[in-house]
Amino acid sequence: QSVLTQPPSASGTPGQRVTISCSGSSSNIGSNTVNWYQQLPGTAPKLLIYSNNQRPSGVPDRFSGSKSGTSASLAISGLQSEDEADYYCAAWDDSLNGHWVFGGGTKLTVL
Amino acid sequence: QVQLQESGPGLVKPSQTLSLTCTVSGGSISSGSYYWSWIRQPAGKGLEWIGRIYTSGSTNYNPSLKSRVTISVDTSKNQFSLKLSSVTAADTAVYYCARVRLAAGSDPFIDYWGQGTLVTVSS
Repeated sequence: QSVLTQPPSASGTPGQRVTISCSGSSSNIGSNTVNWYQQLPGTAPKLLIYSNNQRPSGVPDRFSGSKSGTSASLAISGLQSEDEADYYCAAWDDSLNGHWVFGGGTKLTVL
Repeated sequence: QVQLQESGPGLVKPSQTLSLTCTVSGGSISSGSYYWSWIRQPAGKGLEWIGRIYTSGSTNYNPSLKSRVTISVDTSKNQFSLKLSSVTAADTAVYYCARVRLAAGSDPFIDYWGQGTLVTVSS
């Protein structure tokens, strides 16, 4: 059971806009910033969004992040077939001397 | 471009100790701008943070694994290591090492991951 809650699946057609939610609590998302990772099959996670809404260089601006209270969202606009992957949210949790927590992951299917 | 590479046995017997090493290239592990973490992912499941180490040697561990985990660093080799004792089948997972960036003006974030290594616990 993951500390952060994500829907297990999401889908969209090419060109559509899709959002993935991530719900936490006051000790993690409510107190700290949220990061998002993309994991293609058989590969390591790749940083997609950090500090709620910042994109590392090289990440297309089709990807955007937001946070409100104890929830966060990842939006993907202009969906492309290569966006089909697992997406994870992550945040630092201040409880129990602090530790990173992750969402259970959302498998995005491009129909 | 920094690269992280995990190494170690892919098969460990139950009750024994799992040992992995992460070699960092393309940058110094001693940089005060980062700390270093281990994360694991059982097949078909989500990510679980194991622990972290600063180059000073200061560590923090996941409360659920704390009694069995030791993370250490060898700055002379640009490596950090994981030891997980008394393993069971539940510890079978892909183990990742990762770098956490300490950025001025923002919270830390995990910016680079190793490719991961599968460790199976079985007799």
